Amino acid sequence: GIQVEQSPPDLILQEGANSTLRCNFSDSVNNLQWFHQNPWGQLINLFYIPSGTKQNGRLSATTVATERYSLLYISSSQTTDSGVYFCAVGGDMRFGAGTRLTVKP
Amino acid sequence: NAGVTQTPKFQVLKTGQSMTLQCAQDMNHEYMSWYRQDPGMGLRLIHYSVGAGITDQGEVPNGYNVSRSTTEDFPLRLLSAAPSQTSVYFCASFTTSGNEQFFGPGTRLTVL
Repeated sequence: GIQVEQSPPDLILQEGANSTLRCNFSDSVNNLQWFHQNPWGQLINLFYIPSGTKQNGRLSATTVATERYSLLYISSSQTTDSGVYFCAVGGDMRFGAGTRLTVKP
Repeated sequence: NAGVTQTPKFQVLKTGQSMTLQCAQDMNHEYMSWYRQDPGMGLRLIHYSVGAGITDQGEVPNGYNVSRSTTEDFPLRLLSAAPSQTSVYFCASFTTSGNEQFFGPGTRLTVL
């Protein structure tokens, strides 16, 4: 199956800082999604982005399908951004291990 | 709309017991799926369904059964629980026109 690697595994930021999370995948995909799991365990879909760039408020994502990676940008981070960010790819939704983000006030 | 609901929230089983995790959605989504999440890992797909009467296996289907008799409900059955099935289970649904997956709150299962 498709291998999915996310980096960095852990990230600690001060409130207001910007960050970039990366998702590499091993094969061509027609489905890539980013999710946020908050500290209480709830999973929220952030982006469906098999290619191109999308923005939603302080978050944006870019997928370069030909080079098999996707980036999630978080600008002006807030404490409520804390949690684990997952990317998932492919028709059978292979998840990476996630990036744990901690935003300190 | 309640979205995706799961019951129970917590469950403790003994090895060999059986149980059913319930999942329901009220958004008329055709696609539903079950995942498990183990500590420090992402989610892994167990089974999925693209519509009533249609189910298929995901990445880790062994030990689990599913059925989809209605659009709204997608129960997950453990016929003979094993300690390796201790995990948090998430149900999700989406419609192919929107691609956004909606997740339930999860069921934390412990098998002793």
